[in-house]
Amino acid sequence: EAQVTQNPRYLITVTGKKLTVTCSQNMNHEYMSWYRQDPGLGLRQIYYSMNVEVTDKGDVPEGYKVSRKEKRNFPLILESPSPNQTSLYFCASSIGSAKNIQYFGAGTRLSVL
Amino acid sequence: QKEVEQDPGPLSVPEGAIVSLNCTYSNSAFQYFMWYRQYSRKGPELLMYTYSSGNKEDGRFTAQVDKSSKYISLFIRDSQPSDSATYLCAMSGAGNQFYFGTGTSLTVIP
Repeated sequence: EAQVTQNPRYLITVTGKKLTVTCSQNMNHEYMSWYRQDPGLGLRQIYYSMNVEVTDKGDVPEGYKVSRKEKRNFPLILESPSPNQTSLYFCASSIGSAKNIQYFGAGTRLSVL
Repeated sequence: QKEVEQDPGPLSVPEGAIVSLNCTYSNSAFQYFMWYRQYSRKGPELLMYTYSSGNKEDGRFTAQVDKSSKYISLFIRDSQPSDSATYLCAMSGAGNQFYFGTGTSLTVIP
């Protein structure tokens, strides 16, 4: 089954404790992206990657890091989480030649205390 | 000013009604226009994808883009209770970034 898998689905942590949210896709997609979704603000793009070792900032990259060492994986790293990073996070992927047709994961709900 | 504006609703309609959802945008460089549907506790799923201006129809769904007015619409005909969800518009230009509206919550009452 074609899918984008995020882990964990739910995470509660404390300020300053480094965490990683994993994202994996099994569709051989070139384009991958991370978003956060907040009430009243909608989905905002954090980082995206056009292919292995190619990443770029989206609209709200501050406080986040990403890496793309393998085509299928695109982890999101919060090195020193803060309460304002409490949010619902989505990973998405698409074929590079049709990046507008994105497939989303089920989401990761993060709470930073 | 936000790149994309979308009326958050909520919108409540009886089953069988025609639903109109809209977004406006400010960036004239946007060329690609998408509508996503998001059920509660799920990720968004692509519903409609349109390039440039014009209409696109898929079953009960019609997407319209008016680039001169910077306005896009999604029409749902014969709405069903299963259409109850949040609808997100999204846009992009020639680059690799995407901009989403805040979403409109729709409830279709049987």
